[in-house]
Amino acid sequence: AQKITQTQPGMFVQEKEAVTLDCTYDTSDPSYGLFWYKQPSSGEMIFLIYQGSYDQQNATEGRYSLNFQKARKSANLVISASQLGDSAMYFCAMREAGNTDKLIFGTGTRLQVFP
Amino acid sequence: GAGVSQSPSNKVTEKGKDVELRCDPISGHTALYWYRQSLGQGLEFLIYFQGNSAPDKSGLPSDRFSAERTGGSVSTLTIQRTQQEDSAVYLCASSRDRGWNQPQHFGDGTRLSIL
Repeated sequence: AQKITQTQPGMFVQEKEAVTLDCTYDTSDPSYGLFWYKQPSSGEMIFLIYQGSYDQQNATEGRYSLNFQKARKSANLVISASQLGDSAMYFCAMREAGNTDKLIFGTGTRLQVFP
Repeated sequence: GAGVSQSPSNKVTEKGKDVELRCDPISGHTALYWYRQSLGQGLEFLIYFQGNSAPDKSGLPSDRFSAERTGGSVSTLTIQRTQQEDSAVYLCASSRDRGWNQPQHFGDGTRLSIL
């Protein structure tokens, strides 16, 4: 079974608008961390934001926020005020307390921001 | 530099040759990971090192792949008798420790092309 599911292979958004990238996860471990990474066409993986399973508040980092709905096992990334430089692949990933050796990645969503 | 450093950035070699990929993690990070990203795909875990513990090699796809980490710092991923299906971007990441709330920080990767 997929541990991380990103159902949107591609998304378009107009500059200055907000966009939500979906991520659902599957784990029986009560302790886990959820991460979002950005991968521009240049290839580097850039860490954006983290949400812990025990965190009461949704994480925010500048224009990035994470809409964490634990009961639904979803951790959607919200990018506000999109910029042309936000065009990239976005990966959702999970790290479980009982399996900290690796990040488990989704298949990614390609976001394109147009003027 | 302050980030994860990988070399070479690009490697083109003939089928059957051996290749070595190098990773220099962020100073002070005890955990080091290797991943592989095939064209248009998500990341596939290969191997993990934590301090002086035995590495987790569970993601290595065949016995042609090996890795070592010397002195708890620099790591080398070796692929022997390369095959065309080994063509991919090989990404190295490090984290401060193996905690499930620790993000992994990635290098820019080595793009490996097998002719």
